[in-house]
Amino acid sequence: GDKVKQSPSALSLQEGTNSALRCNFSIAATTVQWFLQNPRGSLMNLFYLVPGTKENGRLKSAFDSKESYSTLHIRDAQLEDSGTYFCAARNNYAQGLTFGLGTRVSVFP
Amino acid sequence: DPKIIQKPKYLVAVTGSEKILICEQYLGHNAMYWYRQSAKKPLEFMFSYSYQKLMDNQTASSRFQPQSSKKNHLDLQITALKPDDSATYFCASSHGTGGQDTQYFGPGTRLLVL
Repeated sequence: GDKVKQSPSALSLQEGTNSALRCNFSIAATTVQWFLQNPRGSLMNLFYLVPGTKENGRLKSAFDSKESYSTLHIRDAQLEDSGTYFCAARNNYAQGLTFGLGTRVSVFP
Repeated sequence: DPKIIQKPKYLVAVTGSEKILICEQYLGHNAMYWYRQSAKKPLEFMFSYSYQKLMDNQTASSRFQPQSSKKNHLDLQITALKPDDSATYFCASSHGTGGQDTQYFGPGTRLLVL
């Protein structure tokens, strides 16, 4: 978790509200992936990013490699958005992804 | 239909025994990976294979040995199991090699070593 720091560690959201999650990198990240791990443990792909932004429905993500951070915005949160969100970065020196510790999101009615 | 299959889903083993975790991907990908998720630790990259060749090994212990009999298979043999090996082991794959491509994860095998 030192090389990829996620904040906050946990988040409680009311349905319909918006929020943002952040990852700061102390490695020279070249690409970033965001995942949602559901309560059963499955890791679902949300975004794959080179520097820039992407949007998919109510989710929007940005990656700034110069400032070494990435964000994930959740708009109009729904109950099914609950789970643990992970960001993972890759640099030019490794094949694998380096993960953060995750942000546990709970959406309540 | 699941595109990355991991077997078994759950596994209980005794200390000192040996187990093999199975992974098959039907995405037509050329690279495969193993990761481990232990309690209160980030998901850790273990190995990557590209066209059945080991590309990167970040696992210190030789008790963990990946085995690739076909391009779409990457099994993980773990010998002399210890309680600390208890974790969920995820297999992943990507189309591109070299790591610069989206990695897709399987459902995981949850291993408990008693």
